[in-house]
Amino acid sequence: GEDVEQSLFLSVREGDSSVINCTYTDSSSTYLYWYKQEPGAGLQLLTYIFSNMDMKQDQRLTVLLNKKDKHLSLRIADTQTGDSAIYFCAEMGGSQGNLIFGKGTKLSVKP
Amino acid sequence: NAGVTQTPKFQVLKTGQSMTLQCAQDMNHEYMSWYRQDPGMGLRLIHYSVGAGITDQGEVPNGYNVSRSTTEDFPLRLLSAAPSQTSVYFCASSSGTFQETQYFGPGTRLLVL
Repeated sequence: GEDVEQSLFLSVREGDSSVINCTYTDSSSTYLYWYKQEPGAGLQLLTYIFSNMDMKQDQRLTVLLNKKDKHLSLRIADTQTGDSAIYFCAEMGGSQGNLIFGKGTKLSVKP
Repeated sequence: NAGVTQTPKFQVLKTGQSMTLQCAQDMNHEYMSWYRQDPGMGLRLIHYSVGAGITDQGEVPNGYNVSRSTTEDFPLRLLSAAPSQTSVYFCASSSGTFQETQYFGPGTRLLVL
């Protein structure tokens, strides 16, 4: 079945780059997503990448996709304290056309 | 646009009680879904709907019912609440099944005693 794996925690210093990694299993996934969840809030779509792309850049965010290894990463440049949140990787590959989420990576940014 | 709204924000129930979690969207989206979020489990799909009058089960549908009488509303019903249903519930909507831009509501925190 489909599964999305990501590490649970990441701690960085303010100003450094953060890299959050994710692996997925469904090679037929058409879209892959990164969501951000701040404490007590819902999920906010950060960015997404179509499966025929290798890279997508959006301001401080860079998404890299390695289809051969089924590996997705999110790089946040110049990480700020406001970036502290839980980041979810998700693939659009469920049998019902739904999103399959990873368990989330909690990013802590130290001043 | 208000986007996706959910009520209530927080609810405490006793085991065996019933309640309805409300979800509404004003973006004329066809696709709506309910997820539950539990610690260490990520989000899991409960039920979804691809349009008014059409609903189907997701990954964890037991103990929940849904209906979709209008495009705007997608309520989630707990017929007899159990402590295992203590969770945070998120409603989401999107314009199509590709979910390129899926919008999430703010969530409902449910505690079942």
